[in-house]
Formats: sequence, C-alpha cells, structure tokens
Amino acid sequence: GDSVTQMEGPVTLSEEAFLTINCTYTATGYPSLFWYVQYPGEGLQLLLKATKADDKGSNKGFEATYRKETTSFHLEKGSVQVSDSAVYFCALTQKLTFGTGTRLTIIP
Amino acid sequence: EADIYQTPRYLVIGTGKKITLECSQTMGHDKMYWYQQDPGMELHLIHYSYGVNSTEKGDLSSESTVSRIRTEHFPLTLESARPSHTSQYLCASSEAGDLQEQFFGPGTRLTVL
Repeated sequence: GDSVTQMEGPVTLSEEAFLTINCTYTATGYPSLFWYVQYPGEGLQLLLKATKADDKGSNKGFEATYRKETTSFHLEKGSVQVSDSAVYFCALTQKLTFGTGTRLTIIP
Repeated sequence: EADIYQTPRYLVIGTGKKITLECSQTMGHDKMYWYQQDPGMELHLIHYSYGVNSTEKGDLSSESTVSRIRTEHFPLTLESARPSHTSQYLCASSEAGDLQEQFFGPGTRLTVL
C-alpha cells in the first residue's frame, strides 16, 4: 500500500541555518504530494504541494520538488527563523497518507 | 469566512462517560475525516466520510462512532470513555476527488481520567 517515510526528529537548528527534512514515498499511480505544518496547539495547515513529477511547491520560503525517479519530496528552506519552529508532516494522496512528523526547533 | 471548527478544544472527563466531539465546516466540502494524534505526533485516520449518510472506518481501529447527517457536520462519539482514549483528535475536510488537500480544524485534546 501507499506509505511515506519521513526523516526522524527532533531537529534543532540555529536561526538562519539551512533546513532539509527528507521525505520518500511508495505509491501506485500518480499521487499528489504535500507538506503540512502544525504549530503548537493548532491543527495542521497546508504548507505546499506538488501534483506531478518535477513540480516544485513553494511557500513562506520553503520549497519541495516532486522527484519521481527517487520517489522523494524533500522540504528545504535556505534560512530558518524562530517562527518556523513547528512539526512538519509529509503526506500523499489518494487516501491521505502521512509521515510520522518531524519536530523542528529553531534557537535564536 | 469559510473554515472548519472543533468543539470543545479541551475536555477532561471521567471513565465511563459518553462524549461527543463536534466538527463543522463551512466550505461545502463533501469529504470529512477524523484523525487521532499520538503524543509522539503520528496521525492515524480513524473515520472518514465521502458525503451525507456515508461513513467508513479508517486505518486505525477505534471504539468511537461517527455520523454524517448534514454535509457540514461530522460528530464523533465515544459511548464509554476510557483512559486509553486520551489523545488529540483532529477533524479535516476536503473537496471531492483524490488529489485534494485537506483543511484541518484546531483539534480537541481529550483526557480521560
């Protein structure tokens, strides 16, 4: 069945550091891929998405490229801020399959 | 404003009580979902619905039940709460179709003593 493998956390970085959170998937067909973010005490909200191979999703300085050849959708940001501290989930359709989540903490 | 709402946000209740967690959305979405979230953050789908009078069990077995009498409303009920039901419960909705993003409510944190 469909599955998502996400980089284990927690991840702690200094402000302005470069961020990568790895995500690989297994799926039949042509799924859409998503990154969701969960801030403390809140529900999940969509951060970015890509619907086909080689698409790049981007939002708030975060980017991820749908790589069909490596079945990956890694999340990157060039310079993280304290406000980026949250839990990040990689997910795919069709019946939304989530990764286990990666807790990111940014220290000033 | 189109949104998805969950009440209560926090609930502390004794063992054996019946509880209903409310979820409503004003986006006109056909699909709705309930997830249980571990303290370790992992999300588990426990129920979903494709529309009115449609309910299905998710990947994680749950003693809870759901109903979908109106498009906008998808309540979850526990007939007899137990400490093992202590968790965060997240409701979500999406448009019809397999490739649509989900919109999440803020969650209900349930503690059963």
